[in-house]
Order: sequence, then structure tokens, then C-alpha cells
Amino acid sequence: SAVISQKPSRDICQRGTSLTIQCQVDSQVTMMFWYRQQPGQSLTLIATANQGSEATYESGFVIDKFPISRPNLTFSTLTVSNMSPEDSSIYLCSVHPFLGHETQYFGPGTRLLVL
Amino acid sequence: ELKVEQNPLFLSMQEGKNYTIYCNYSTTSDRLYWYRQDPGKSLESLFVLLSNGAVKQEGRLMASLDTKARLSTLHITAAVHDLSATYFCAVAKAGGTSYGKLTFGQGTILTVHP
Repeated sequence: SAVISQKPSRDICQRGTSLTIQCQVDSQVTMMFWYRQQPGQSLTLIATANQGSEATYESGFVIDKFPISRPNLTFSTLTVSNMSPEDSSIYLCSVHPFLGHETQYFGPGTRLLVL
Repeated sequence: ELKVEQNPLFLSMQEGKNYTIYCNYSTTSDRLYWYRQDPGKSLESLFVLLSNGAVKQEGRLMASLDTKARLSTLHITAAVHDLSATYFCAVAKAGGTSYGKLTFGQGTILTVHP
């Protein structure tokens, strides 16, 4: 299994500012992803964090708004830029340890409120 | 575009009763997941279903997969209060480039009462 930690666990931010969320895994993993869960909603994939190269974004998400870094196989960051109240959500890091591994794991999430 | 639909979205159950949550998806899939989410918590993996006819059971929960019908079910047997949570199914599209990219259903909010 993979144990995932995220920092911060929650934050309250002012509109127009940016927040960087960190995701740390206790073992090297092949794939890392960032998901968003808006209040009372399901989860939506934001992007795949690629080690050593630019992230791959899903439709509706852009790099300028959600820049992502992945410097190694255990760590990634997601920045929510120029925040607005619509960005208030839970942001979850997810990992798939390696091809062929059955389970996909989710971190505890970062609860963001933008005022 | 892969779409995943769960029903019901809300389920109020009496303790001791049985019920089934359904998950339909629109395109060929490599794998199907069931997760549980408690209020204010992250997702807990319940089951991963990889092939047609797969059936997995853990305690009072049993999940099955019919890839031909593009349907998975999560069956709850003799519900207890501790099962109250939101249950999500999630589907990964077939193909290497989609590995790990999950499309989630809307979630089923399950409440078990005495």
C-alpha cells in the first residue's frame, strides 16, 4: 500500500491569492494525480503529475490556473492560482503505485475555502 | 467521453435490510473501483474489479462487475449503522494512456437507521 500525506490539511484564503498544496508518498510510485471535489459533489480529475515533465491536464483545467510540479517519484505540488470563491473545494492527491497494481490510493485531501 | 452514473443517489436503509447500489458506465473500461467516503474524510478503497464476472466480498458488502452490460453493483447485506457513508464507483477507461485516470459516479449517500 501507499501512505499519502498532504499539506496543508485545510486553509482559508483571500481571493486573488495563490496556494500551493504538497503531496508526499511514503514510497516511490509510478503515477500521481490531482483531483478536485467541490462541495457536495463527486471527484473530478484535474491532471496527471508527470515526473520530470509538464503535467497532463484534463479538459477544463489549465496550467496557468493549476500549475503542478513533480520533481521525483514521491512528491508533487499543486498550486491554485489567482483564487476565487469558486475554487473552494477539497483537493486530493491520488497515486497508482505501478502498472499492474490493483488499488489506487487517495490522500487525506486539502480543504480550501476562498473568501 | 466516459460517463458514470450511480443510482440511487440517496439511500435510507433500515438496519438488517438488504439493498443494492448500481453503477453504469458508458465505454469500455479496464477496471472499476468502489470507494467509501465518510463525512470530512478522504476515500477508502473497498473493491477493485478487473474482469467480467468478477465478484468480491468484504463483510456485509459484495461488489460485482458485468463488463458486457457495463454495470457494477454494490450489494449491502443486513445493513448496520456503521455502513452509513457516501459510496462512489469510479471507472478507468481502457487503454494505457488512461491508466489511473478515474471518472467517478455522483456518489450514493447511504444512511442506515434503526
